[in-house]
Amino acid sequence: GQQVMQIPQYQHVQEGEDFTTYCNSSTTLSNIQWYKQRPGGHPVFLIQLVKSGEVKKQKRLTFQFGEAKKNSSLHITATQTTDVGTYFCAGGASGSRLTFGEGTQLTVNP
Amino acid sequence: NAGVMQNPRHLVRRRGQEARLRCSPMKGHSHVYWYRQLPEEGLKFMVYLQKENIIDESGMPKERFSAEFPKEGPSILRIQQVVRGDSAAYFCASSLLGDQNTEAFFGQGTRLTVV
Repeated sequence: GQQVMQIPQYQHVQEGEDFTTYCNSSTTLSNIQWYKQRPGGHPVFLIQLVKSGEVKKQKRLTFQFGEAKKNSSLHITATQTTDVGTYFCAGGASGSRLTFGEGTQLTVNP
Repeated sequence: NAGVMQNPRHLVRRRGQEARLRCSPMKGHSHVYWYRQLPEEGLKFMVYLQKENIIDESGMPKERFSAEFPKEGPSILRIQQVVRGDSAAYFCASSLLGDQNTEAFFGQGTRLTVV
């Protein structure tokens, strides 16, 4: 079945440093979604990418979808303490349900 | 428009008891997913339901766990004869459409503790 892998599992950064998490799928995806879960909270939808090579930005967050539609990345510029949480990617493929990665847990030291 | 509602938020059960977790999807959503999350871990898919139908239960343990989504009322995740290993956060998500391109809206989860 479809597998979605995410690295790294944990990332500790100093406030102001950049952060990137990577997502790789075993199969070609129709779309990739990103979610954020704050400590003690629930996953909240951030964005969806659909097109090959697509890049979307949300303030300091940049999301990319690979040309082959099998990988994606989320990059945060100049992290802030409010960025703390776990970031999940979720891949959608034709004929199968949305599959979540294991998540990257980000901690930001002030 | 209320979001996905889960109750209870916290549930404590003794070993051997039954746990019933409820999920009311967003208004207009007929697709419901249940996930389990252990501390410091990712979301593990359990089951996908539409009204009155189980579409995909490939993530459900074969014994003690069951789920339903009746025509009227919330979706129910039922765990019989709970054991300590069932302690986890259980999240429900709903979507407007059932295909893989649709955003999922999550509830706040039920934190189950088995003592």
